Amino acid sequence: EAGVTQFPSHSVIEKGQTVTLRCDPISGHDNLYWYRRVMGKEIKFLLHFVKESKQDESGMPNNRFLAERTGGTYSTLKVQPAELEDSGVYFCASSPQLVSSGNTIYFGEGSWLTVV
Amino acid sequence: TQLLEQSPQFLSIQEGENLTVYCNSSSVFSSLQWYRQEPGEGPVLLVTVVTGGEVKKLKRLTFQFGDARKDSSLHITAAQPGDTGLYLCAVDTGRRALTFGSGTRLQVQP
Repeated sequence: EAGVTQFPSHSVIEKGQTVTLRCDPISGHDNLYWYRRVMGKEIKFLLHFVKESKQDESGMPNNRFLAERTGGTYSTLKVQPAELEDSGVYFCASSPQLVSSGNTIYFGEGSWLTVV
Repeated sequence: TQLLEQSPQFLSIQEGENLTVYCNSSSVFSSLQWYRQEPGEGPVLLVTVVTGGEVKKLKRLTFQFGDARKDSSLHITAAQPGDTGLYLCAVDTGRRALTFGSGTRLQVQP
């Protein structure tokens, strides 16, 4: 069974440009999460989808970030325009059931974003 | 202030040594998870502890949840180079999303 896959694995862009990160969750997992780790900080929650619906986007830093999950399968996270402080590792994760149930959540390898 | 404080931040030991890392909070949690993250990978769940005082073992790794469910420890016996990685504790704060500690970075030298 394929795990959570993320693309691209690494991206270097200039300040002001746009980057779109993609996440393919494990097949059949309704719950999809985006997390981010910026330099020197802990991994922080960005948002949570259940199928195609956004359940919680309270962690999104500002309106330069837009996440979508059309059709309830893969998800994209777009940063437009990118700023220097957006540099970090963006993790996608999926789970068949809610995290609050104590169930396992599976993380992708992350997309490393460097804004210069 | 962070919800979860992990200590130590960094630990470098020799193969065969024992070690304990800690995850502390002033809040009470219904459960707590431990993850290991290796370079270039995402976090991988090691264990979930639920009951106060609970002890779980995973080969040479022993996890304990504090009696008051505010803290947890991870003890590794006879560490191996394969144990090298970032150890993270995480809790669900009721938002159906995980809150992570900043992690303990462990380096086991052969």
